[in-house]
Amino acid sequence: AQSVTQLDSQVPVFEEAPVELRCNYSSSVSVYLFWYVQYPNQGLQLLLKYLSGSTLVKGINGFEAEFNKSQTSFHLRKPSVHISDTAEYFCAVSDRGATNKLIFGTGTLLAVQP
Amino acid sequence: DTEVTQTPKHLVMGMTNKKSLKCEQHMGHRAMYWYKQKAKKPPELMFVYSYEKLSINESVPSRFSPECPNSSLLNLHLHALQPEDSALYLCASSHPPTGVNEKLFFGSGTQLSVL
Repeated sequence: AQSVTQLDSQVPVFEEAPVELRCNYSSSVSVYLFWYVQYPNQGLQLLLKYLSGSTLVKGINGFEAEFNKSQTSFHLRKPSVHISDTAEYFCAVSDRGATNKLIFGTGTLLAVQP
Repeated sequence: DTEVTQTPKHLVMGMTNKKSLKCEQHMGHRAMYWYKQKAKKPPELMFVYSYEKLSINESVPSRFSPECPNSSLLNLHLHALQPEDSALYLCASSHPPTGVNEKLFFGSGTQLSVL
């Protein structure tokens, strides 16, 4: 079984500052990794995904994430945040053999302050 | 059309009521999902339909009854719910479930309150 840990429930940051949202996963099999964003009163939107290949993946809205197999991590980064990036961010993992089942972490609220 | 449409957006129901949540997509996706999300919590998978057949039921109580009448529609029938069932119910869809599930498209959800 897989699990995802997002240690930071909330990350406050000032506008135009860099940010890193942490995600660690646990699995006995190979996985796919995802970051989703949820704006208030909305569904979830895919930011980026790691399936295979290059460990640095770039997503929408200037976000990127790096897959680190030895540290079982998939941290999300953005070099300069905007007020509009304020949202809940979920890391998720999917078993490569059972790809219909997505397991979400507990989420990190990114609160961008002016 | 890259949208998953859910209706209603808000629903208040009593414990003896019967209601249904509806979800529709026209992207040709053949996998559709119901997730439940409590406040300040991550979404939790409830059901998965693949090619209109129920493929995953995450031990959901029988007071929740899913239905997939065709490849574009997904319903969730509700009966005799409890107050703890109050949550945001999210529908999602994706390309055929064989191979890599690269991306789920989510609807905006139905906010359900059970009184």
